[in-house]
Amino acid sequence: DAKTTQPPSMDCAEGRAANLPCNHSTISGNEYVYWYRQIHSQGPQYIIHGLKNNETNEMASLIITEDRKSSTLILPHATLRDTAVYYCIVSTGTASKLTFGTGTRLQVTL
Amino acid sequence: NAGVTQTPKFQVLKTGQSMTLQCAQDMNHEYMSWYRQDPGMGLRLIHYSVGAGITDQGEVPNGYNVSRSTTEDFPLRLLSAAPSQTSVYFCASSSPAGNTIYFGEGSWLTVV
Repeated sequence: DAKTTQPPSMDCAEGRAANLPCNHSTISGNEYVYWYRQIHSQGPQYIIHGLKNNETNEMASLIITEDRKSSTLILPHATLRDTAVYYCIVSTGTASKLTFGTGTRLQVTL
Repeated sequence: NAGVTQTPKFQVLKTGQSMTLQCAQDMNHEYMSWYRQDPGMGLRLIHYSVGAGITDQGEVPNGYNVSRSTTEDFPLRLLSAAPSQTSVYFCASSSPAGNTIYFGEGSWLTVV
């Protein structure tokens, strides 16, 4: 599976958009980009995934560059409950196993 | 719908003891896996299974055994616990056609 690079930490004011970047320059054609988050020490929670098109769901939007070497997760209106570690992962679509990095610790503040 | 259920939630073991972490899912998922998470790190894959009777090793399999006799259950066995196995363990499941992995709430294991 391709490796990803994320900033170790980011801050965001409550109510503002949180934009979390991820580099995955070695991604292959059949690999998806997944985003999960982990609040405190709970089990990771699925947020969104995409192959090459931009995606949006009730939680977030995923913007993937045309060359697929990087992506951005957007939380449109961050709240304090969005404070968590966010993991960007690339993997094939079978979702049988994922390789986690150290993620980005997002701190949402008042 | 319980999702992925792990037991026990907390366990303290002495070095050399053996134990089994239980994992059950009620979503009829074929794929199941075990991860461990050490402080300040991401999750690392221990073992995974793509169906009953089929298991394979992940990134950090040493010291752990698994079996998959039913679709619902995927127990993780520690054969002879070591302090290096102190960690939080997460079980996960997914379907072959799906792109979402569902995680349990974790099992906190301390080996003294």
